[in-house]
Amino acid sequence: AQSVAQPEDQVNVAEGNPLTVKCTYSVSGNPYLFWYVQYPNRGLQFLLKYITGDNLVKGSYGFEAEFNKSQTSFHLKKPSALVSDSALYFCAVRPPDQTGANNLFFGTGTRLTVIP
Amino acid sequence: GAVVSQHPSWVICKSGTSVKIECRSLDFQATTMFWYRQFPKQSLMLMATSNEGSKATYEQGVEKDKFLINHASLTLSTLTVTSAHPEDSSFYICSPGTRLSTGELFFGEGSRLTVL
Repeated sequence: AQSVAQPEDQVNVAEGNPLTVKCTYSVSGNPYLFWYVQYPNRGLQFLLKYITGDNLVKGSYGFEAEFNKSQTSFHLKKPSALVSDSALYFCAVRPPDQTGANNLFFGTGTRLTVIP
Repeated sequence: GAVVSQHPSWVICKSGTSVKIECRSLDFQATTMFWYRQFPKQSLMLMATSNEGSKATYEQGVEKDKFLINHASLTLSTLTVTSAHPEDSSFYICSPGTRLSTGELFFGEGSRLTVL
């Protein structure tokens, strides 16, 4: 069965420090991996994706994520956090052999708080 | 990217009333619309999939008579919460689907329903 785990409900980081939001997945084959961000009472905004190629992918707002196949992880990172990065972050996975648009499995989300 | 308009953003209603939420795909034709529900501090859960001109497909445990979905045109899908109760209070998000090349989902801004 497919699943996504975000082991931390809450991550606090000081402004200017690097941040990491963790995500691990369980899926057969090589998955498509995504990160989305959600601001209060808003829909989800796409940050970045990994499908194939370089394990380090760069996305919006200075975020990047590293795909690690051996550890089945796709952690979200940013070298220097901003207060405006405070939001809810979701990791999502799509099995590679699925068709259609409704096969994203979402993690439970991690609330990032950047402290001024 | 795709532009999705969801209305209303906020709605407060009395128990027993019905509430309609609209989701419009503004710049492309959406033959499919996905409706998600998000409870506080929880992830997105797919409720149902609407298909233009045909009946919606509901996920297990979602009452089709309670959550009426209509997809009358390629740009509009509606979700009606009938005889709403406080336990229906949630954040409802629509998604018209993916960019086929990446599998990335686009989302509406969401509708916060509060049932008193």
